[in-house]
Amino acid sequence: GENVEQHPSTLSVQEGDSAVIKCTYSDSASNYFPWYKQELGKGPQLIIDIRSNVGEKKDQRIAVTLNKTAKHFSLHITETQPEDSAVYFCAASRLRGGTSYGKLTFGQGTILTVHP
Amino acid sequence: SQTIHQWPATLVQPVGSPLSLECTVEGTSNPNLYWYRQAAGRGLQLLFYSVGIGQISSEVPQNLSASRPQDRQFILSSKKLLLSDSGFYLCAWSVQGSPLHFGNGTRLTVT
Repeated sequence: GENVEQHPSTLSVQEGDSAVIKCTYSDSASNYFPWYKQELGKGPQLIIDIRSNVGEKKDQRIAVTLNKTAKHFSLHITETQPEDSAVYFCAASRLRGGTSYGKLTFGQGTILTVHP
Repeated sequence: SQTIHQWPATLVQPVGSPLSLECTVEGTSNPNLYWYRQAAGRGLQLLFYSVGIGQISSEVPQNLSASRPQDRQFILSSKKLLLSDSGFYLCAWSVQGSPLHFGNGTRLTVT
């Protein structure tokens, strides 16, 4: 089955700096890669996703890059703010039916702390 | 808009007691429904998913079971809880071609 490794496990940055979280996956057939943000006591919220036919996707201060050859993808957050502090999870899936968007293999998570 | 409700938010249960966690989705029809578990300091693991009423698929062998008695209702159960069942349980939904959306979870502590 799929295995997703996520690094680093913790990341501390100063407000305004950039943050990068990296994930590698094992199944070359995986083609859908979402990122989730989880605040304390809440469920994860989707912040951005990318499919394997795209190398990069941006949404304001957030971007995701995908390297299919190396089987890794990264989350980039620019101009970080204290409210970006949370746990971030990457995930991977092989889209091949109605349940594929929900049958995700998750990384272990990264605790991001943004210091004012 | 679609919303998902999970309850209770927290639960403390003794070993050997039964469990019933409920999840309902509003604002959509025939969603795919999922139960995930999040152990402390680890990622999320898919436990069960359902594509329709009465249709349950299990992803990992365990002490838990799931049921879907209505289109937008998903229930996670156990007849006898184990200490290892402690964790954060998340219900989620998706519809064809759309990403997965999570509820706010239930923190279960088995003592």
